[in-house]
Amino acid sequence: DGGITQSPKYLFRKEGQNVTLSCEQNLNHDAMYWYRQDPGQGLRLIYYSQIVNDFQKGDIAEGYSVSREKKESFPLTVTSAQKNPTAFYLCASMNPRRAKNIQYFGAGTRLSVL
Amino acid sequence: DQQVKQNSPSLSVQEGRISILNCDYTNSMFDYFLWYKKYPAEGPTFLISISSIKDKNEDGRFTVFLNKSAKHLSLHIVPSQPGDSAVYFCAASDDDSWGKLQFGAGTQVVVTP
Repeated sequence: DGGITQSPKYLFRKEGQNVTLSCEQNLNHDAMYWYRQDPGQGLRLIYYSQIVNDFQKGDIAEGYSVSREKKESFPLTVTSAQKNPTAFYLCASMNPRRAKNIQYFGAGTRLSVL
Repeated sequence: DQQVKQNSPSLSVQEGRISILNCDYTNSMFDYFLWYKKYPAEGPTFLISISSIKDKNEDGRFTVFLNKSAKHLSLHIVPSQPGDSAVYFCAASDDDSWGKLQFGAGTQVVVTP
């Protein structure tokens, strides 16, 4: 089945620790995105990537880093510089040539601080 | 500054009746609008979209209306079913943004028997 897989489902971060959230897609989509959702708020864009080895900051990139070494994978690292990391993180992908602007989402990772 | 606003955080509707969800936007450059549905602890799923060249798009029980002059869109669900109980997000993008979506805060819909 084609889709987007995020792991782990739940993640706990200790003070000063970096953690990495995994996002893998087998949809052959060029573009991938990371969003953060806080209670009562919409999704906010952290980073996005239009193509392998290229990525751009979104609206709230501070304290986060990404890489895009393979088309299928777009991991997000929440660094110790992110002072309020507790949130629900969503990864998405899109094929701009086929269904412009329609993004497909993974099931999310819930990150909490210990 | 929030460019997409959903001013009703929640909506309760009886099964079989119409659900109307509203969304306002401030950026006149937006030219593509989407509605997503989200269940708890899951990712959003795409529901329906509309381009700015249209004022209505219909897909089964779901219809989206766009009023560009008022910078307003709405989603109608007719008839509402218990499985429609979810959070609905309105999203918008402009042609140059390469899929970068601006989301509203969402409206929680509860369909009661």
